[in-house]
Amino acid sequence: DAGITQSPRHKVTETGTPVTLRCHQTENHRYMYWYRQDPGHGLRLIHYSYGVKDTDKGEVSDGYSVSRSKTEDFLLTLESATSSQTSVYFCASGQSNTEAFFGQGTRLTVV
Amino acid sequence: LAKTTQPISMDSYEGQEVNITCSHNNIATNDYITWYQQFPSQGPRFIIQGYKTKVTNEVASLFIPADRKSSTLSLPRVSLSDTAVYYCLVGDERDDKIIFGKGTRLHILP
Repeated sequence: DAGITQSPRHKVTETGTPVTLRCHQTENHRYMYWYRQDPGHGLRLIHYSYGVKDTDKGEVSDGYSVSRSKTEDFLLTLESATSSQTSVYFCASGQSNTEAFFGQGTRLTVV
Repeated sequence: LAKTTQPISMDSYEGQEVNITCSHNNIATNDYITWYQQFPSQGPRFIIQGYKTKVTNEVASLFIPADRKSSTLSLPRVSLSDTAVYYCLVGDERDDKIIFGKGTRLHILP
């Protein structure tokens, strides 16, 4: 399996606080993605990156920002967390967009 | 990106062959068809990809008819551990995004 790790794996935070989730890959993949998964909604793309400093919005980007200053790292930031952002977040990477390798997920709870 | 339609859920029994069909009427000439598998509490995992006719690997087979407007993922002799959500995706290398639908929840019964 591709070396892709997410941190933290679990986090509980309060409404209104900033939160940053980290995704790290060791495969030198060009593409990286952030998804959220909620019951009844499947996987929804938040933001993605097609290279260092090259990012774009996905299907549900409101309330989220990303940064990719190095090939191996893709950060997802919730500027001011809300309860609706309670979810499981998955990061993925791939050399092309036809195959992505996923991390183990981060369970975020906003109280 | 072409839209895909697949059954919400399916049940089958251990030892049976399971076929999950995905419709993608608007598939483009350069699009590939890709299937992912997701176990509970894990991220999705790529299982198979094809462009036309038939592709087989150690996990599954993928059947694509000549018009490519649908595809069928075939899992031979399933076991309880094949219980998972299966996603069908359509896209080509020029798309930067990977968009998942809601997938098919497959439940294998003893």
